Amino acid sequence: DTGVSQDPRHKITKRGQNVTFRCDPISEHNRLYWYRQTLGQGPEFLTYFQNEAQLEKSRLLSDRFSAERPKGSFSTLEIQRTEQGDSAMYLCASSSETGGSNYGYTFGSGTRLTVV
Amino acid sequence: DQQVKQNSPSLSVQEGRISILNCDYTNSMFDYFLWYKKYPAEGPTFLISISSIKDKNEDGRFTVFLNKSAKHLSLHIVPSQPGDSAVYFCAARTTGNQFYFGTGTSLTVIP
Repeated sequence: DTGVSQDPRHKITKRGQNVTFRCDPISEHNRLYWYRQTLGQGPEFLTYFQNEAQLEKSRLLSDRFSAERPKGSFSTLEIQRTEQGDSAMYLCASSSETGGSNYGYTFGSGTRLTVV
Repeated sequence: DQQVKQNSPSLSVQEGRISILNCDYTNSMFDYFLWYKKYPAEGPTFLISISSIKDKNEDGRFTVFLNKSAKHLSLHIVPSQPGDSAVYFCAARTTGNQFYFGTGTSLTVIP
């Protein structure tokens, strides 16, 4: 297991199109998180899963955003009717329930979305 | 509402000297603090953490200090090396599962 994988690394889409990103967490991690990072800002929390259950959602996650983790393994984040303001780096992280020195919070390399 | 603030967007330090990165927070309910390091085109990488019940944690060249009364956190890197050049994010956690990140400080270590 080489860590948290995110696909694609880059996505350019036209405004109004739908996009879907995928995250494969570390296999033994049951917790999965999505964050968004815009230029000059730190990562901002979007949502959190424990196994397949989505337990927390930020108010940043508008109705156009939906996240799933159907089998408690990989997760997808879909953005419908993309807007230019959605352009950002979308980061996925995973952790185990027992935590660790940093609560086992490991980030993927992110998907950079550009809406034109 | 920015609960975690890093007021210095950038810092330049000579190789071998000490780098001090600062972070302030507003939420007294934060119980855990972390520092992450980020290179371009990569996700943040965990560096060091500290529980709110401690005031210092050291790991090799990296030391984190916590001043709860001042709601202030700092990361000391000594001696600084060119490979330390990156963006450093301070993060804090409440009893929930989300972290609140600062806006980052870009550290440049000059050889």
